Parts: sequence; C-alpha cells; structure tokens
Amino acid sequence: KQEVTQIPAALSVPEGENLVLNCSFTDSAIYNLQWFRQDPGKGLTSLLLIQSSQREQTSGRLNASLDKSSGRSTLYIAASQPGDSATYLCAVRPLPSGNTPLVFGKGTRLSVIA
Amino acid sequence: DTEVTQTPKHLVMGMTNKKSLKCEQHMGHRAMYWYKQKAKKPPELMFVYSYEKLSINESVPSRFSPECPNSSLLNLHLHALQPEDSALYLCASSQDRLAGGQTQYFGPGTRLLVL
Repeated sequence: KQEVTQIPAALSVPEGENLVLNCSFTDSAIYNLQWFRQDPGKGLTSLLLIQSSQREQTSGRLNASLDKSSGRSTLYIAASQPGDSATYLCAVRPLPSGNTPLVFGKGTRLSVIA
Repeated sequence: DTEVTQTPKHLVMGMTNKKSLKCEQHMGHRAMYWYKQKAKKPPELMFVYSYEKLSINESVPSRFSPECPNSSLLNLHLHALQPEDSALYLCASSQDRLAGGQTQYFGPGTRLLVL
C-alpha cells in the first residue's frame, strides 16, 4: 500500500530564506507527483505536477524535484515571503489498477516570519 | 477557466436535517471527486465519479449520498449526520481519472458544522 510521508511536519523561517520541503513515498510505481498549497480553511491550490518520467518542474520561485527510484521529492522555495505561509501537501498518483486516487502526505505547515 | 466552485462556503446543520453540497466545473473534466478533510489532516477520498458514473466509494456511510447529474455538476446529499462529520468537504476534478498525467483541481471547500 502506498504511503506518503512529509518532513518536517512544521517549519518556521525568517523572510528571505531559501527552504526545502521533503516528501517520500514507499512505492515507486507512480504516474505522477503533485505539490499543493493549502491556506487555513481553504481548498487546495496545485503548485507543480511532475510526471514519473520527469526529474523536476519549476514555477517562479518554486522548484520541485522527483527521484522516483528512491521514492523522494523535494519542494524548493527560494527567497521565502510571509505570503508563502501555508500548509504544503505532497500527493502521488499510483499507477492505475482500475481505481487510483491520489495518496496524500500529512503536509508541512510553513510559517515565514517577517 | 480552471476553476472548481463549491456552494455553500459554510453550512451549519442539525443531526436531523437534510442538506446538499454542490460542486461545479466547466473545464470539460470527466472525473470528479469528493474529499473530507479534518483539521490539520490531509484530505481523505470519499467518492470518485468517472464519466458521470460512481467508480469509487471509500466505504463512506450511507448518510452521505453523492450524485452526478451531468458532467459539470457533482452533489453530495447529507442526511442524519453526526457531529463527527463536521469537516471541510472538498470537491476536485481532473480531465480523465485514468489519464494519470492530469492535474487535479480543487474547489475552495464547504466548511460543515453538525450540531
């Protein structure tokens, strides 16, 4: 059964720092991996989607990497801002076996202090 | 338009009430999902519809009844809920459930409180 783990569970950094969020998954048989952002009490916003054949994706100050063989992904946030404060969720889509919903990690709660 | 909309944003209901949550998308997506999320927990999948047919029911109690009237709409009918059902209910859609490369888009959620 696929399991997704995110470390750390919470992180507090001063504004301007570069930071890395980690995600690991137990089964490398995945279609893709997706990083989401969630503000308190709100829905999920998709940040980056990495296909299983890709190594990384970039969007603005965000860069996500994928090492499928080792079951790891990282989300790199450059020059962090207070507006980046949110919970970041990692989710993998296992290869199809008829029904393959996303498997989520528990998230990393990020606080960027001005 | 890459938006999934949900109504209402907030809902308070008693345990004897009947209410419905609504979700709508106009991206032409053929897969739609209901998730339940408790505070400080990741979303938990409840139901998946693919081409307007229920394809996954994650052992959800019958007091939750999904409905997909057409490819753009997804409802969740609520009846005789319990206080522990209080949560954020999220709707999502993707182009095709079996097209694993597609991003899943989420709505803003409905915050439900059962008294």
